[in-house]
Amino acid sequence: KAGVTQTPRYLIKTRGQQVTLSCSPISGHRSVSWYQQTPGQGLQFLFEYFSETQRNKGNFPGRFSGRQFSNSRSEMNVSTLELGDSALYLCASSLGGRTSSGANVLTFGAGSRLTVL
Amino acid sequence: AQSVSQHNHHVILSEAASLELGCNYSYGGTVNLFWYVQYPGQHLQLLLKYFSGDPLVKGIKGFEAEFIKSKFSFNLRKPSVQWSDTAEYFCAVRSRDNYGQNFVFGPGTRLSVLP
Repeated sequence: KAGVTQTPRYLIKTRGQQVTLSCSPISGHRSVSWYQQTPGQGLQFLFEYFSETQRNKGNFPGRFSGRQFSNSRSEMNVSTLELGDSALYLCASSLGGRTSSGANVLTFGAGSRLTVL
Repeated sequence: AQSVSQHNHHVILSEAASLELGCNYSYGGTVNLFWYVQYPGQHLQLLLKYFSGDPLVKGIKGFEAEFIKSKFSFNLRKPSVQWSDTAEYFCAVRSRDNYGQNFVFGPGTRLSVLP
């Protein structure tokens, strides 16, 4: 089955602009998580959506927001971009339910690499 | 809050050397543990996972990890590394007591294997 698809793969923006990134999870996965990856900082958790509801939120400013649609696809938005927002933004999907099943693991997309000039 | 630490930021080995990457987590409850790998230019992929049972788990490409509950550790091992193992390795933990909690990742360890 198809994996996690993120679009766009690469984008360049200037300070002050806003950006929207999209993520299509694996079919049947109801949870979508977003991470910011930068050299030296590793993966920083942004937020998780499950069944269209934000279930968890990381320690990022309000300029970072997201949403999930009824088909489990998710978008994240960053407004008023800053130079420090340059990063690889990763989306990961999982079944997300209350189960200890070994299937309930994160599957990552290739990421969207954002460069802010 | 949960946290994950990885002992080494960058490890350099020659081919055929043995590998052990350290991972410790802080969480008092029951956890699921993971190692993910990111090869150059590729996306993160699952290397192995521990949910319950035998604390020694085997993953892909000859990797294994041992869960030591008393030490809150989940170290990754491979007896003989290859040049193709050059990658960044991330340890992650997720609470089993509350599936509403997110995964927490360590800062990563970059492995460079010299041919």
